[in-house]
Amino acid sequence: GAVVSQHPSWVICKSGTSVKIECRSLDFQATTMFWYRQFPKQSLMLMATSNEGSKATYEQGVEKDKFLINHASLTLSTLTVTSAHPEDSSFYICSARGTGDAEKLFFGSGTQLSVL
Amino acid sequence: GENVEQHPSTLSVQEGDSAVIKCTYSDSASNYFPWYKQELGKRPQLIIDIRSNVGEKKDQRIAVTLNKTAKHFSLHITETQPEDSAVYFCAASRPGNQFYFGTGTSLTVIP
Repeated sequence: GAVVSQHPSWVICKSGTSVKIECRSLDFQATTMFWYRQFPKQSLMLMATSNEGSKATYEQGVEKDKFLINHASLTLSTLTVTSAHPEDSSFYICSARGTGDAEKLFFGSGTQLSVL
Repeated sequence: GENVEQHPSTLSVQEGDSAVIKCTYSDSASNYFPWYKQELGKRPQLIIDIRSNVGEKKDQRIAVTLNKTAKHFSLHITETQPEDSAVYFCAASRPGNQFYFGTGTSLTVIP
């Protein structure tokens, strides 16, 4: 299957700082990327849908000013958690849908964010 | 929008037995149904998928069946092994749309 790279794998930061997470499709062009948040032993909660060259579409209840998403190219999307607080601590996963095998969805390795 | 329900939430089976996980969906326009396996702290990995023009698909010990009329699809794992222990998620999607995930099934294979 296609490869989606996500960095960093884990990050610890102080409350009030911002954290950037990168998601790259390594061997295919991703017209659409999705960002999820996952709590322990729970399903994937969609935060936003990111389309290359346009503004992200956020799910209800997700603060777009807090979770900044940029999809500047067909292979890179970034999620920036601004002014992070302890309640933002979570496992964040990106996924990418390709243009070739358009219906398949591949996931990044996830980022465990801990805000102190 | 689409609503995907998944059962059971937890499942324990003896090694060598079969495991079945079921999902239902609500949107008749959904036409793509993947299954993902997620081990603790790792990414969900696509293990098998089925499209709406097919009723069944098999890949070694894993099979998926789809009943479009009833809007349900199932994952079947035969001859289970301890390494099959993980959380499994079903999903439903249609072209150009997001993926809707089930709530997950935690499978434990007892040696």
